[in-house]
Amino acid sequence: DIQLTQSPSFLSASVGDRVTITCRASQGINSYLAWYQQRPGKAPKLLIYGASTLQSGVPSRFSGSGSGTEFTLTISSLQPGDLATYYCQQLHSYPRTFGQGTKVEIK
Amino acid sequence: EVQLVESGGGLVQPGRSLRLSCVVSGFTFGNYAMYWVRQAPGKGLEWVSGISWNSDTIGYADSVKGRFTISRDNTENSLFLQMHSLRAEDTALYYCAKVGDPGSYYYTPIESWGQGTLVTVSS
Repeated sequence: DIQLTQSPSFLSASVGDRVTITCRASQGINSYLAWYQQRPGKAPKLLIYGASTLQSGVPSRFSGSGSGTEFTLTISSLQPGDLATYYCQQLHSYPRTFGQGTKVEIK
Repeated sequence: EVQLVESGGGLVQPGRSLRLSCVVSGFTFGNYAMYWVRQAPGKGLEWVSGISWNSDTIGYADSVKGRFTISRDNTENSLFLQMHSLRAEDTALYYCAKVGDPGSYYYTPIESWGQGTLVTVSS
């Protein structure tokens, strides 16, 4: 099974800050990676797929990059509504696996 | 509007069985692969099982293989998860989820999620 490791597990940042979350895969997965946002008490929401394609309706301050084994999710200017836990998921093979999550707190 | 509504969760004793259902609307259910994803209290997301649009391809996480069975009824716009030999570690919120690309079981992300049904395994 493909393992995904996210870092950091927790981060605290101020409104307007640039935030970067990393997801590393245990083997190459090309660009078959998605990012999800889960706000407290809510179901997850798709942000990015194909490592860098923004899902329709997602604000442009979110962006993704990477291929192979290393990927990043960047929030260019953190907003109060971005308080959430962010998960990566590999779409390369089954069983599908998720990273352990990165909890983003607003200072 | 895409809607996925799960039901069937509850409190069950270890070793017993439970059947989850997910009724969908707002899209052509028979065109899309579907998943079950779970989240234990305070924990991360875990993919549980997936089924292709025509039920030809099915997969399970190792943690549930041999105990859980996924199925679907395209005439009733419904997805199911039959769970046997339940364990305390199966306690979680179970989400029904729709993939993004019609006809595809591969390389496609989860585009829509239900609100989940809570399964608690305890004596």
